[in-house]
Amino acid sequence: QVQVVESGGGVVQPGRSLRLSCAASGFTFSTSAINWVRQAPGKGLEWVAVMSHDGINNYYADSVKGRFTMSRDNSKNTLYLQMNSLSAEDTAVYFCAKDRSLKRGYFYGMDVWGQGTTVTVSS
Amino acid sequence: DIQMTQSPSSLSSSIGDRVTITCQASQDIKKYLNWYQQIPGKAPKLLIHDASTLETGVPSRFSGSGSGTDFTFTISSLQPEDLATYYCQQFDKLPFTFGPGTKVEIK
Repeated sequence: QVQVVESGGGVVQPGRSLRLSCAASGFTFSTSAINWVRQAPGKGLEWVAVMSHDGINNYYADSVKGRFTMSRDNSKNTLYLQMNSLSAEDTAVYFCAKDRSLKRGYFYGMDVWGQGTTVTVSS
Repeated sequence: DIQMTQSPSSLSSSIGDRVTITCQASQDIKKYLNWYQQIPGKAPKLLIHDASTLETGVPSRFSGSGSGTDFTFTISSLQPEDLATYYCQQFDKLPFTFGPGTKVEIK
């Protein structure tokens, strides 16, 4: 069964850090690019970041650039999102999603989504 | 960044009705467009990629068309399980951007 499962969400104070994990199974993780997409309460979808299959090419939304960092461990079929300097505007459900692309260096959008993990930034 | 707009923002239709949603991009995105369905409380699900290609396993009552800046998503015969919010998303250029969504309700 092809799936991704997020974990690591929780309540965190403004200015603090949190690391999310995305564990993959049922597909060849080492050849798959992975995205993060978030959804603030009652709002629409916002793309956050994408990492290439080999971790070399990473792209971030301007809203998180310089604060969020993706990394991956292909030996563990796991990808991470390190989130620093969190603010209330980062409160959202964070979805990990496999990219549809089969071509290295290209990204085509999300075809396998996890159920999401909730991040709440509040004092 | 490429801006995506959708209309309407919400609609209410009866079972069996034909439902049409439009999506417009702020610049030419060729056919680099996906459509997602998000049922309340659930993760989004990819329905259509490359503007008109149905994802495997998706019912044939869903369809998409368009290219360039103007796109259409259609449900040919609305079913109760189609209650959801539908989003378009461009993948022509990073950052990926989504439309604001169209909430489909059942009369």
